[in-house]
Amino acid sequence: SQKIEQNSEALNIQEGKTATLTCNYTNYSPAYLQWYRQDPGRGPVFLLLIRENEKEKRKERLKVTFDTTLKQSLFHITASQPADSATYLCALDSGYALNFGKGTSLLVTP
Amino acid sequence: NAGVMQNPRHLVRRRGQEARLRCSPMKGHSHVYWYRQLPEEGLKFMVYLQKENIIDESGMPKERFSAEFPKEGPSILRIQQVVRGDSAAYFCASSPNERTSNQPQHFGDGTRLSIL
Repeated sequence: SQKIEQNSEALNIQEGKTATLTCNYTNYSPAYLQWYRQDPGRGPVFLLLIRENEKEKRKERLKVTFDTTLKQSLFHITASQPADSATYLCALDSGYALNFGKGTSLLVTP
Repeated sequence: NAGVMQNPRHLVRRRGQEARLRCSPMKGHSHVYWYRQLPEEGLKFMVYLQKENIIDESGMPKERFSAEFPKEGPSILRIQQVVRGDSAAYFCASSPNERTSNQPQHFGDGTRLSIL
């Protein structure tokens, strides 16, 4: 069955450092991959979408890579700030809807 | 430009009662998706609807759960005879067309359902 795995352990980093989150998938051949941010008590908010023929996508301090050979996406936040603390979800298309990973919690400390 | 609106934000029900969750999609969006998020679990797809039609309900339990998206008014997720295991956050998302894979979904802030 299709599976999406994200680091279950929370990632703690110091302000100013680069945070790197991993999303691995199996039994999938997605054409697109999406990343969302979710704050406690709120709904997911879309961040970035990357296509299978794109190796890398950037948006301000965010960078996403997509390696269809490794079946992996990496999500980077450069010059991290305490306001970046949240849970980050990766999602792949699955039929009509999205299939989400469980998310990785990021804590950026001053 | 109002986003996806869900109400109520919190709903408490006793076992055996009915729960009705409402979702108004973003203006101009005619495609609605319902997801459930259990504690420590990821978002799980339940049902996808267009106006007056259920397109895919493969993620929705066969019993006690139903969904609708009438021509006028919000989409409704209905849970009859609720049980403790129904306690979760229920999220609604909308999009302007059916091409989910290459466009973002816009989420509401969810309804937190608690069953006593």
